[in-house]
Amino acid sequence: TQLLEQSPQFLSIQEGENLTVYCNSSSVFSSLQWYRQEPGEGPVLLVTVVTGGEVKKLKRLTFQFGDARKDSSLHITAAQPGDTGLYLCAGEGSARQLTFGSGTQLTVLP
Amino acid sequence: GAVVSQHPSWVICKSGTSVKIECRSLDFQATTMFWYRQFPKQSLMLMATSNEGSKATYEQGVEKDKFLINHASLTLSTLTVTSAHPEDSSFYICSAVTGIDYGYTFGSGTRLTVV
Repeated sequence: TQLLEQSPQFLSIQEGENLTVYCNSSSVFSSLQWYRQEPGEGPVLLVTVVTGGEVKKLKRLTFQFGDARKDSSLHITAAQPGDTGLYLCAGEGSARQLTFGSGTQLTVLP
Repeated sequence: GAVVSQHPSWVICKSGTSVKIECRSLDFQATTMFWYRQFPKQSLMLMATSNEGSKATYEQGVEKDKFLINHASLTLSTLTVTSAHPEDSSFYICSAVTGIDYGYTFGSGTRLTVV
């Protein structure tokens, strides 16, 4: 069974601060995806990284995929209250199934 | 963009009854759909992979006779929770592979409460 460890589990910061969320595994994934989920809704895809060492930027969000394709990070610059939510990483397996990390509940205080 | 519609968004049922949840891909064909369960303050756990025209593949520990999955067409998969019990109360979410840029699209989820 492929497992994804995500840290930290909870994060509460002030508006304007930077933060990084980590997603680590002992397994190699064909792709790794980051989602954001609001209460009572399904996850919404933020980004997919496929190539080892890949870096993608989405406005204030920067996503990195490790060279060995086992780990990833999400960095948010100058966090805003609108960034509050549950952030989930998910690794794609050989049968296209996703294994989700435990999630990071981010709260950005105004 | 790709849209997955999931219904109902919430349901309350009595213990011992069955509940059906539908997951439809509105603007694309989904040969494979996935069903997840999410308990409060926890992440999504894959329950089963639903393949159009064939039997679903269940994850270890998921009772296939309790969670019946039917994927009769390329745009519809259903999950039926049979003889529901309070411990089945959870947030159930479906997803489909869009086939575009490794994309997955998730439904909006179904909150099941068994009383």
